[in-house]
Amino acid sequence: KNQVEQSPQSLIILEGKNCTLQCNYTVSPFSNLRWYKQDTGRGPVSLTIMTFSENTKSNGRYTATLDADTKQSSLHITASQLSDSASYICVVSEVDSWGKLQFGAGTQVVVTP
Amino acid sequence: DADVTQTPRNRITKTGKRIMLECSQTKGHDRMYWYRQDPGLGLRLIYYSFDVKDINKGEISDGYSVSRQAQAKFSLSLESAIPNQTALYFCATSDSGSGDTEAFFGQGTRLTVV
Repeated sequence: KNQVEQSPQSLIILEGKNCTLQCNYTVSPFSNLRWYKQDTGRGPVSLTIMTFSENTKSNGRYTATLDADTKQSSLHITASQLSDSASYICVVSEVDSWGKLQFGAGTQVVVTP
Repeated sequence: DADVTQTPRNRITKTGKRIMLECSQTKGHDRMYWYRQDPGLGLRLIYYSFDVKDINKGEISDGYSVSRQAQAKFSLSLESAIPNQTALYFCATSDSGSGDTEAFFGQGTRLTVV
């Protein structure tokens, strides 16, 4: 069973609107959680990283939250742009995991004009 | 120029053929990885290497082999390709010295086995 579950699987939003993506994980012991953005035909690129003690972190119009008690994270996209169309992948790292990462399946976001 | 370069970008091969996917990096990282991405699934680790003399199996290594020719080069081979190895393959690197787990990915190789 995948230790990182993302929802929704896909969503379509109008340009300028906001959206929130969810990530639930069971990875333990938890080290950190990253959100990656993967444009079509390209490799994933890190957007944010959050450690156990962090609740929220922003990167421009992207804001990630983390609740380490409930093992949930969200990625909020504000004022979406066409360039936000991509797959967003939640990736969780274990303590002492020597770089081993657990990947969610991703949420495919389509921003329409 | 990309920091992590994969060749080829696209490949169609026949069942039973041997194929090699190559990865090179200019980031100076010691750790390199090969992942496979299938629709609806997260990236899955095939093999990883922490330095030139270190090779480790990931969760789905069967049917694959790797070679770390130099710190900057890590190749993935399919000795006898089969159709269910059709997938998008990514090479990635990370830096053990930074204490960070950020992975830097190549652009991917789309492999089709017919």
